[in-house]
Amino acid sequence: ILNVEQSPQSLHVQEGDSTNFTCSFPSSNFYALHWYRWETAKSPEALFVMTLNGDEKKKGRISATLNTKEGYSYLYIKGSQPEDSATYLCALLGDKLIFGTGTRLQVFP
Amino acid sequence: DTGVSQDPRHKITKRGQNVTFRCDPISEHNRLYWYRQTLGQGPEFLTYFQNEAQLEKSRLLSDRFSAERPKGSFSTLEIQRTEQGDSAMYLCASSLASFGGVLELFFGEGSRLTVL
Repeated sequence: ILNVEQSPQSLHVQEGDSTNFTCSFPSSNFYALHWYRWETAKSPEALFVMTLNGDEKKKGRISATLNTKEGYSYLYIKGSQPEDSATYLCALLGDKLIFGTGTRLQVFP
Repeated sequence: DTGVSQDPRHKITKRGQNVTFRCDPISEHNRLYWYRQTLGQGPEFLTYFQNEAQLEKSRLLSDRFSAERPKGSFSTLEIQRTEQGDSAMYLCASSLASFGGVLELFFGEGSRLTVL
């Protein structure tokens, strides 16, 4: 059974601060690692799908890296804004997604 | 709206009652997944279908839970004799699976169940 861990569990930052979260997983065979952003009362929204060791993806102020050999992925948010407040989930994809527990980010104005 | 839709969005029921949730996936997607999310946890896998076939069912899914996807389109998740521990957000997702694998899951907004 794949165990996907995320840290920290929650994070409170001021507007303008940069922040990063970690997703750890056992190095094993899987198709891809996904990052999702889940705002309250909305559906989880896919941010990145990463498949290759050394992958780096970027979308605006948000970027992610993947190291499959050592079993981790980082998500970075540069210059956090209040609208970035959400739960950020990582998940490993085989036949199904196995999710981590998420990092709840709160950005204060 | 061509996304994944779930109904109802909220359900409050008394312990012992049966509840049913419906999920309408993106129309061309052949895979449909059910997840459950409780406070402080990430979504936990319950079951998934490829077309009308239920391919995997989690050990988390007790005999009181049953899911169907009779025509390979919409799916229902029924919980019989609900217990307070069933209170959770039930998420549905769909995807397109091909020989190359599954690329991305698209989620609905979830059905929140509260069992009193």
